[in-house]
Amino acid sequence: KQEVTQIPAALSVPEGENLVLNCSFTDSAIYNLQWFRQDPGKGLTSLLLIQSSQREQTSGRLNASLDKSSGRSTLYIAASQPGDSATYLCAVTYSGTYKYIFGTGTRLKVLA
Amino acid sequence: DGGITQSPKYLFRKEGQNVTLSCEQNLNHDAMYWYRQDPGQGLRLIYYSQIVNDFQKGDIAEGYSVSREKKESFPLTVTSAQKNPTAFYLCASQYGGGSGKLFFGSGTQLSVL
Repeated sequence: KQEVTQIPAALSVPEGENLVLNCSFTDSAIYNLQWFRQDPGKGLTSLLLIQSSQREQTSGRLNASLDKSSGRSTLYIAASQPGDSATYLCAVTYSGTYKYIFGTGTRLKVLA
Repeated sequence: DGGITQSPKYLFRKEGQNVTLSCEQNLNHDAMYWYRQDPGQGLRLIYYSQIVNDFQKGDIAEGYSVSREKKESFPLTVTSAQKNPTAFYLCASQYGGGSGKLFFGSGTQLSVL
């Protein structure tokens, strides 16, 4: 069964810390992987998309890496700010399907 | 501005009633999706559509129905057969189906009276 796991479920850090969020997937034959941000009661915003042929993607203070062989992706957030507080979800899709499989997310709180 | 619009933001359903959630996009995307989000669970796919007049069931389609008469619109009906409809419903669209970024609407919170 294809599953996506995100650990920890919740994380609190002081402002300014660099942090890493983890995403694991059981089937390594992914087509692509996306990281999303969700604020309470809102929709999801796509942060980064990594194609299966890529190792990482960067956008501002965010860097996402992909290691297909180990079934893992990490989202690195540099110099965290209170405005980064949100739930971060990862999702994978596989070739030949339009279905994304989502993790349950990591709820991040950055303390001022 | 291009984007996805979901309405209403909050919706209440009486027992035995069908309700329809609206989703409209002006991104010219071919693929559209409906997801359900419950607290502590990942998003689960209800229905998706890759092209006008065609749609496929997702993992939890029972008790739901959709239509895709226009490229811009993908309404979701929650029928009386859905016995546990309380959830946050999210509509998404995608260019290039399967390879591009997913864009989401702001969601509809459905509750049962």
